[in-house]
Amino acid sequence: DTEVTQTPKHLVMGMTNKKSLKCEQHMGHRAMYWYKQKAKKPPELMFVYSYEKLSINESVPSRFSPECPNSSLLNLHLHALQPEDSALYLCASSLTSGGFNQPQHFGDGTRLSIL
Amino acid sequence: GQNIDQPTEMTATEGAIVQINCTYQTSGFNGLFWYQQHAGEAPTFLSYNVLDGLEEKGRFSSFLSRSKGYSYLLLKELQMKDSASYLCAVKGYGGSQGNLIFGKGTKLSVKP
Repeated sequence: DTEVTQTPKHLVMGMTNKKSLKCEQHMGHRAMYWYKQKAKKPPELMFVYSYEKLSINESVPSRFSPECPNSSLLNLHLHALQPEDSALYLCASSLTSGGFNQPQHFGDGTRLSIL
Repeated sequence: GQNIDQPTEMTATEGAIVQINCTYQTSGFNGLFWYQQHAGEAPTFLSYNVLDGLEEKGRFSSFLSRSKGYSYLLLKELQMKDSASYLCAVKGYGGSQGNLIFGKGTKLSVKP
């Protein structure tokens, strides 16, 4: 079990569906991240939120829309996804985004399958 | 450019010692992290180095040489549960502040 909680653990959706992935942490961290991980590959950074503001968007397609309602919550809204978007989506958090020795703590991920 | 290299796979025997190397070339350096990831699970933080030298944490140690762009993770008294992927990740700064750049990972298999 990790201190970063992601729901749902598994999600199967069609290409026309709209769904959301949720992430929650109560460690007082002010930086939160979304990563995408394909099988046998390292995590790829998608978005970084720092103090509830989007600070990094790694050229992610607009069919992925992040939201940070407060310092503990991070959502990823999905719409019109493609089969190649099937992957493990990991949420992570750290105390801040820029400090020394502030490891990112990862949630267990949501395994997403697009039909 | 950004480049992090680590071996793709390694095999070791239970009870032995294994060293996983990582070399990096990045535009900024704000520390190097090692993560362990079991198949289908989240990466788990193992160690952090920002200054040259060795950091020890129980059976795990990590070494950094900034001048050589080199790090290694040393695992002692290997156990079967250590079979996992080990990810080397470098933290940048500036425009990519907070951005972790991951290596492709080293899949370690521990055999009896």
